[in-house]
Amino acid sequence: QVHLQESGPGLVKPSGTLSLTCAVSGGSISGNWWSWVRQTPGKGLEWIGEVYRSGSTNYNPAFQSRVTMTLDTSKYEISLKLTSVTAADTAVYYCARTYYYDASGYKNLDSWGQGTLVIVSS
Amino acid sequence: DIQMTQSPSSLSASVGDRVTITCRASQDIRSHLAWFQQRPGKAPKSLIYAASRLQSGVPSQFSGGGSGTNFTLTINNLQPEDFATYFCQQHNAYPYTFGGGTKVDIK
Repeated sequence: QVHLQESGPGLVKPSGTLSLTCAVSGGSISGNWWSWVRQTPGKGLEWIGEVYRSGSTNYNPAFQSRVTMTLDTSKYEISLKLTSVTAADTAVYYCARTYYYDASGYKNLDSWGQGTLVIVSS
Repeated sequence: DIQMTQSPSSLSASVGDRVTITCRASQDIRSHLAWFQQRPGKAPKSLIYAASRLQSGVPSQFSGGGSGTNFTLTINNLQPEDFATYFCQQHNAYPYTFGGGTKVDIK
């Protein structure tokens, strides 16, 4: 069972950059896509995007201009950077594995980290 | 973006009840739908993928159905630990999108 653990500053100033890391253990970081999802009381769950070991990414257009996701296979870490943050980016941020089951293309966010709360405030 | 609409937004039930939650997609997503359970203060937990396939380790009291635009999650013999919020999510097209959630609480 893969284990994911998010970490990073819990408080970010408006117009600053939100930077989070997700440590992966108990499974291979290569060969999988890794997603970031956030949750707010107002908008619910929002998929931010996903990253693969090759550096390939798929981003939600709502975040496209502000987001960067990378994967470090040597450190077994996934990172998220979100620039120009506002109060609307205050949320619990989760990393999750996007698991592909077979050639049919079925996939699922099958393993999640516990989440980390990030507050955007001066 | 594909909009996912869940109903009801909340329901009250008793231990031992059978409950059904509905999720509707704004366009055809074939069977590319997943269901998650979230308890307060916890991360979402995968229950169902591919609309009807049970995630490993999830009890068989949970079942999913549907295809195209209409989907259901059924929980048989509701247990105390099943009182939680349930979300659907489509992964047929980017960006992946989630339903607004259905909160199941104790009657």
